[in-house]
Formats: sequence, C-alpha cells, structure tokens
Amino acid sequence: DQQVKQNSPSLSVQEGRISILNCDYTNSMFDYFLWYKKYPAEGPTFLISISSIKDKNEDGRFTVFLNKSAKHLSLHIVPSQPGDSAVYFCAASAIAGGTSYGKLTFGQGTILTVHP
Amino acid sequence: DVKVTQSSRYLVKRTGEKVFLECVQDMDHENMFWYRQDPGLGLRLIYFSYDVKMKEKGDIPEGYSVSREKKERFSLILESASTNQTSMYLCASSNNRAIAPNQPQHFGDGTRLSIL
Repeated sequence: DQQVKQNSPSLSVQEGRISILNCDYTNSMFDYFLWYKKYPAEGPTFLISISSIKDKNEDGRFTVFLNKSAKHLSLHIVPSQPGDSAVYFCAASAIAGGTSYGKLTFGQGTILTVHP
Repeated sequence: DVKVTQSSRYLVKRTGEKVFLECVQDMDHENMFWYRQDPGLGLRLIYFSYDVKMKEKGDIPEGYSVSREKKERFSLILESASTNQTSMYLCASSNNRAIAPNQPQHFGDGTRLSIL
C-alpha cells in the first residue's frame, strides 16, 4: 500500500527551463511534506518542505505547491541547471499530536536529468 | 552542520551471517532511523528509535533488529542475512518533538550491502 506515489520514474528537461516533479498521497493524516534530492553514492539531502497550513513555499529556485483537496504536491525548479540532475524523493509525515517523531513515508523517486 | 556517519560504504556478506550496520550522529538528535532503498520502491522504513533503548518497528522490520545503547549511535542488525536483503541501507537522524515537529531528517551516505 503505497501511501506516497511519484508516478513519473524519470523526467528530462533542457537547461534553463522549468522542471516540475509531482507527488500524490492517499493518507489524509499527512500534514507535513518534504522534498529530498539524492546524488549517486550519497545520502538524500533535504531540499524544501511545506506544512499543510500553506499551499506554497519558496526557496530560491525551488518552489513547492500543495493542493490538499487533490492530495497532490509538486516541486518546481526554475531555471533548471545541469547540477540539478539527481533523484528527487517526496516524503510525508503526520506530525499533529506530536507522537510521530518525524517518521517519514517516501515516494518511489523521480530521476531528473537536466541537459545542457 | 549535521553529520550522520555510517561505518561502511560497501559491505559483502554471506547468506546466514549476522550483519551489523553502524550509524553515528553528532548533533545530539533524539530520533534515529534506518531505511533501505531499492529501485522503484523508494526509501522504506525498517526501524526507528526516539530515545536511548527505545525502538519502534517501521514498515518492513522482518529479518532485522536494532540497538540504541547510546544517544548518538544506532545499529541495524541482520540476524541471518538473506539474498533479498541485498540493498542500499540509509541511516538518518532528526530532532522532532511536540514543541518542534517540523524538523527534516538528515541522512548518512549509505551502506551498499551485498549478500551472496
């Protein structure tokens, strides 16, 4: 039972264009969402997060959008750069109540390739 | 900067062996996690710990156990290694608490374990 799904295994984008990575979730208890980036032979690194009380969060070239009614979030990278080529994972947590200890449920990942 | 260190980058073991994977974090984090990453499946939580000597099962605990005798160290144990446990193993730590629930997890660089 995959509670967090990234339905696109891969995405290819030209340098300078926008990259849009998508993520869907099924558990309505999730209220905190994160994106991680992973290079080969390295651990995932935290990129950006959003709480369910917001619908948008920006950090430089990265913006995350949350549509709670559709149980959908997306990561926009503008402009895309070759160094952004990596695997991107979305993750979700149910933090209300304070007993989750930050436990995360991850999607399958999307391989982003940005061509020069 | 948070540092999560996994003792081995690559490990090769034989079926039936008892295998220990070690993880140390230097940020005095309360919570520690063990995941495995497999192609097409993303990161799946094996076990986590929210305090010394405290542990909880994740989504795929079968065939694994953990130990947390000191706050900074979290060990994953494969009681009797099998070929289906060949995978990338990732350790993470975080400091989520009820008063500060929105904390990302920080990951080590992973251990690629092969069971022959």
